[in-house]
Amino acid sequence: QSALTQPASVSGSPGQSITISCTGTSSDIGTYDYVSWYQQHPGKAPKLMIYDVTNRPSGISNRFSGSKSGNTASLTISGLQAEDEADYYCSSFRNNYSLVFGGGTKLTVL
Amino acid sequence: DVQLVESGGGLVQPGGSLRLSCAASGFTVSNIYMTWVRQAPGKGLEWVSLIYSGGNTRDADSVKGRFTISRDTSKNAVFLQMNNLNTEDTAVYYCARGKSGSNWQLDYWGQGTPVTVSS
Repeated sequence: QSALTQPASVSGSPGQSITISCTGTSSDIGTYDYVSWYQQHPGKAPKLMIYDVTNRPSGISNRFSGSKSGNTASLTISGLQAEDEADYYCSSFRNNYSLVFGGGTKLTVL
Repeated sequence: DVQLVESGGGLVQPGGSLRLSCAASGFTVSNIYMTWVRQAPGKGLEWVSLIYSGGNTRDADSVKGRFTISRDTSKNAVFLQMNNLNTEDTAVYYCARGKSGSNWQLDYWGQGTPVTVSS
């Protein structure tokens, strides 16, 4: 059982938008803005897509956006493309000085 | 360009030890926090250990007392000493760099080194 809860899978058609949720507690997401999202293609290393809840690293498409409400963070991908098909993980700092991850969400582009 | 290259993984028997290395280039490991994250076969990501720029360290409960993160500034490398390994430690181990100006968020990752604990 992962520390943060994500849906196991989501899907969408090219051009559509999807949102992946990530639910934590007041010990992590609910208190801290140290929330990140990572994209991982099969056999590859994770890639930072969103940090500090809403910020995109240089080079990341503005089709990717992040938000947070209460204990739940969300990643939205607009204008879905075939290359977006991957696993997505959220993470957050926790108040016991640890880093917690979600269980991962498999995005399928139909 | 920032690059992280892990090495040292392999097959080890339960109760054995391994030392993983992460060679960094394009930045100085002592200027930023560095972490190890692992991924068991077919599973999600799990944080393992972190070393701050000041040298303090933090470990996940699952490895506390068995794993030790360290760095060598002369080699510009980070290490993970893993002792008393068990089958649940089987995973790909990634070295990752902390993002400057942020806390506990990882902007560059290595390609990973696989560790298999089996008799």
